[in-house]
Amino acid sequence: AQKVTQAQTEISVVEKEDVTLDCVYETRDTTYYLFWYKQPPSGELVFLIRRNSFDEQNEISGRYSWNFQKSTSSFNFTITASQVVDSAVYFCASSTGANSKLTFGKGITLSVRP
Amino acid sequence: GAGVSQSPSNKVTEKGKDVELRCDPISGHTALYWYRQSLGQGLEFLIYFQGNSAPDKSGLPSDRFSAERTGGSVSTLTIQRTQQEDSAVYLCASSLDGPKGREQYFGPGTRLTVT
Repeated sequence: AQKVTQAQTEISVVEKEDVTLDCVYETRDTTYYLFWYKQPPSGELVFLIRRNSFDEQNEISGRYSWNFQKSTSSFNFTITASQVVDSAVYFCASSTGANSKLTFGKGITLSVRP
Repeated sequence: GAGVSQSPSNKVTEKGKDVELRCDPISGHTALYWYRQSLGQGLEFLIYFQGNSAPDKSGLPSDRFSAERTGGSVSTLTIQRTQQEDSAVYLCASSLDGPKGREQYFGPGTRLTVT
């Protein structure tokens, strides 16, 4: 069985601060996939990134970056120079190659204050 | 192109009534998923359809819940004899295919309130 832990529940920062959202996963599978989704106040889940277990390269997309470390079973998400529009609930999730259902963490509510 | 659509967006029903929730996946996506989001339970998987394969129903919470997918496209989630604990947002998602762990794209959800 898979498990995703997002230990942080709520984070509040001031605009332009950097913020890191933590995600720790558990799985017995050697092939697995990790995801981050954003859920803004409008409610719709927005896909941000997917990584597979064979690709430990970090990724940067604009102000967003992701750090995947198999040694610590972590897939952390950093927002650089946060903006008010980044305010949302962020979910980390995992799936395996055998069963594609997503197992979600509890989510982190990020509030960015002007 | 068009994203995943769901209808209705909101549904209020009386305890004991049956409800049907509809999902139109992204065209060309062979995999379709239903999830439920509630305050107490977070985001939970319900059921997964992949092409013509038998669906994975392992997440359905009781036999009052069922789903079908017609013609490999539209899906309907049916809840019979609704209970108050069924109140939640029901989310549908689709992906290009299932087994390769493709990213899933979510619809706006149906907010179900059982009174």
